[in-house]
Amino acid sequence: EPEVTQTPSHQVTQMGQEVILRCVPISNHLYFYWYRQILGQKVEFLVSFYNNEISEKSEIFDDQFSVERPDGSNFTLKIRSTKLEDSAMYFCASSDQGRFGETQYFGPGTRLLVL
Amino acid sequence: GDSVTQMEGPVTLSEEAFLTINCTYTATGYPSLFWYVQYPGEGLQLLLKATKADDKGSNKGFEATYRKETTSFHLEKGSVQVSDSAVYFCALSPGGYNKLIFGAGTRLAVHP
Repeated sequence: EPEVTQTPSHQVTQMGQEVILRCVPISNHLYFYWYRQILGQKVEFLVSFYNNEISEKSEIFDDQFSVERPDGSNFTLKIRSTKLEDSAMYFCASSDQGRFGETQYFGPGTRLLVL
Repeated sequence: GDSVTQMEGPVTLSEEAFLTINCTYTATGYPSLFWYVQYPGEGLQLLLKATKADDKGSNKGFEATYRKETTSFHLEKGSVQVSDSAVYFCALSPGGYNKLIFGAGTRLAVHP
């Protein structure tokens, strides 16, 4: 069964450094998402992406964050200058057509630790 | 804004016990409702969903009914197994959007 993959599974970085989290969505899907879960808190929506553009973003997704689909398979989340509070599990997801009620398929997550 | 509230865990049950995990929501429109499950070391997997009032989602013995009058989507299973031990997340997708808004998650531990 097709699945969403994410790399790396764990990343440790120093405050102020740039990180890039990578995702390979399911191959025929058109909508892509990033969510994060700070330890002990809810899973929070960050951004959705369609047709090479951001379709929606949350208040969390400020200028420090960016997303890109650099080629036909990868979808990346870049944090320009990491802060301690960016430490979280980051989940990538994809869906087929982005229709109402459509299932989003999640990757296993990247655990980011900012020191 | 739209939100989801689910019962706090952990919930600890013996094998073959009946499970209920409560979930209520607040939404301005007509959302779709979902239950996702996260097994240890894995990502979120869709368990079941319902897209309109009175719809019942079901999968692997789990059921939930979209109740508009009580704004609820409680998860139930008649007889849990040790393999059901996981974290369960209730979520909604607001009408007109395809983002997911999650509840806090409920950890279920099932003992033999």
